[in-house]
Amino acid sequence: KAGVTQTPRYLIKTRGQQVTLSCSPISGHRSVSWYQQTPGQGLQFLFEYFSETQRNKGNFPGRFSGRQFSNSRSEMNVSTLELGDSALYLCASSLTIRTGGRERTTNYGYTFGSGTRLTVV
Amino acid sequence: AQSVSQHNHHVILSEAASLELGCNYSYGGTVNLFWYVQYPGQHLQLLLKYFSGDPLVKGIKGFEAEFIKSKFSFNLRKPSVQWSDTAEYFCAVNANSGYALNFGKGTSLLVTP
Repeated sequence: KAGVTQTPRYLIKTRGQQVTLSCSPISGHRSVSWYQQTPGQGLQFLFEYFSETQRNKGNFPGRFSGRQFSNSRSEMNVSTLELGDSALYLCASSLTIRTGGRERTTNYGYTFGSGTRLTVV
Repeated sequence: AQSVSQHNHHVILSEAASLELGCNYSYGGTVNLFWYVQYPGQHLQLLLKYFSGDPLVKGIKGFEAEFIKSKFSFNLRKPSVQWSDTAEYFCAVNANSGYALNFGKGTSLLVTP
């Protein structure tokens, strides 16, 4: 089956602009999470969506937002871009199972996409 | 605060040497543990994972890791590394009450011929 697909692969934007990144999860995976990877800070969690609802959010400013559609595809948006937003943005999808009243990730774990390399100039 | 620590930021080994990369976490409850590898220019790939059961888990490419609950550790091992193991290795933790992965800073491994 197809993996996690992220588009576009590369983006160059100017400070002050906004950008939208897309992630299509593996078929059947309803949880999608986003991460920012930079040389200095490593991999940092941005947010996670399940069934069109944001369940968890990392410590990022409000300029970073996301959403999930009914087909589980997700987008993230960064407004008013800053130079420091230059990074590799990774999306991961996971298969969940309902246990204890909650949807939890199964032991298949998380599968990552190839990422979108965003450069802000 | 919840955190994941990888002790070695850069490791250089000769081919056939043994590898052990340390990972410690600070979470109070049940955790799921992962090791991911990122080869140069490629995306994150899952090496192995621990959810429950046997604390010694085997992954792809000859890697294994041992979960020691009392030490809050999940160290990655390989008996004999190859040049093709040159990559960045990330330890990650998912607290069973949460929905995201918390990553360590990563260890850059260089294997010399």
